[in-house]
Formats: sequence, structure tokens, C-alpha cells
Amino acid sequence: SQTIHQWPATLVQPVGSPLSLECTVEGTSNPNLYWYRQAAGRGLQLLFYSVGIGQISSEVPQNLSASRPQDRQFILSSKKLLLSDSGFYLCAWKLQGNKPQHFGDGTRLSIL
Amino acid sequence: GENVEQHPSTLSVQEGDSAVIKCTYSDSASNYFPWYKQELGKRPQLIIDIRSNVGEKKDQRIAVTLNKTAKHFSLHITETQPEDSAVYFCAASTRTGRRALTFGSGTRLQVQP
Repeated sequence: SQTIHQWPATLVQPVGSPLSLECTVEGTSNPNLYWYRQAAGRGLQLLFYSVGIGQISSEVPQNLSASRPQDRQFILSSKKLLLSDSGFYLCAWKLQGNKPQHFGDGTRLSIL
Repeated sequence: GENVEQHPSTLSVQEGDSAVIKCTYSDSASNYFPWYKQELGKRPQLIIDIRSNVGEKKDQRIAVTLNKTAKHFSLHITETQPEDSAVYFCAASTRTGRRALTFGSGTRLQVQP
């Protein structure tokens, strides 16, 4: 069966520091991959999605970037974090076509 | 692009009562409509989904209805229990385009024991 792993689970970073969050999927190949951000008590904001290695689509302008160096690996990065980058970051995967999307356990990021 | 609106934003019911959450979507090409349940601090989890070739789907105490003409779909929870308390999100997607789900803003359901 398919599983999705996200790490770290929690992260506290100072303003201006870099960021790297990692997500890997097991048990499937060529999944669509997604990064979402959820502010406290709010909905899910799509940040990036990828339909294949090296293919990244950005949904909102920001100081974050994403990369997909391998088929089942999706990385969210920033060179310099802002206070507004705090939130709950969720990685998700789905198979091609109209299939359900499945979320990882998320990373709770706090910027000080 | 697709826009999904969800109502109500909060819903409080007594244990045993039914709860209904409604969503509307804007893109008539949308053909897949999942519902997610998110408990506090946890990831959203798929609880039921429906495709546009079906008008209703049921899974024990949970049902989803879809009206393609009116472009709205609803989640029905019967015989609610305290463990149903969570935030529920509806979503819609099309076969093409962004290939991602567009989510509603969420409904916080509180089931009072």
C-alpha cells in the first residue's frame, strides 16, 4: 500500500533563516505531488504541485520554492523565512486522473 | 478557475441529530468531489467522495449528494457522535487544468454530548 512521509513534524526557525521540508511517497510511481499551507483555523492554500520529475507549478507568488529531484520526493524550500511563513505545511499525493488526494501528517512551522 | 464556497462555517448539533454541510462550485467541468475531515492538529483525511456520473453515495452514517445542474453538493452525517467533531472540507477538481483540488473554506462541526 502507499504511504507518505513528511518531516520534520515541527520546526521553529528564526526570521531570515533558510527552510527545507521534505516529503516522500512509497508504494506508487509517477504520483502527482502537492504542497499546501494552512494558517491556524483556516483553509488549505495550494502552494505548488508537480506532475513529474522536475515539473513544478506555482500557485501563489511568494518566497518559497519547490523541487522534485526524484519521482517520489518533493521538497519545499526558502532562502529567507518571513514571519508570515508560519503555518501548517501539508504534502499530498494522488494518482493520475480523478483519484483521491492523500495528505501527509504535516509540518508545523513557527517563525520567531 | 474553479471556486468552491462552503456553508456554514460553524455548525453545532446535539448528539444523535443530523448535520448537513453544503458546497457550491463554479466550474461546470468539475467532475470529482471529495470530502475531508480534519481533527485538531492532524492531517485532512478523505471520508467520502463522489463523481459526476453519480447523484448520491452513502457510507454508513455519511452520505454525499450532488446536483450537477445547480452545481452544488452536500455532506450529510446522521446520528452524530462526539467523535464526529472536526473541521470538514469539501473540494472539487476537473480532469484537466490544475489537476489539483480546489477546497472550500471548511466547516467546524461541534457535536454536543
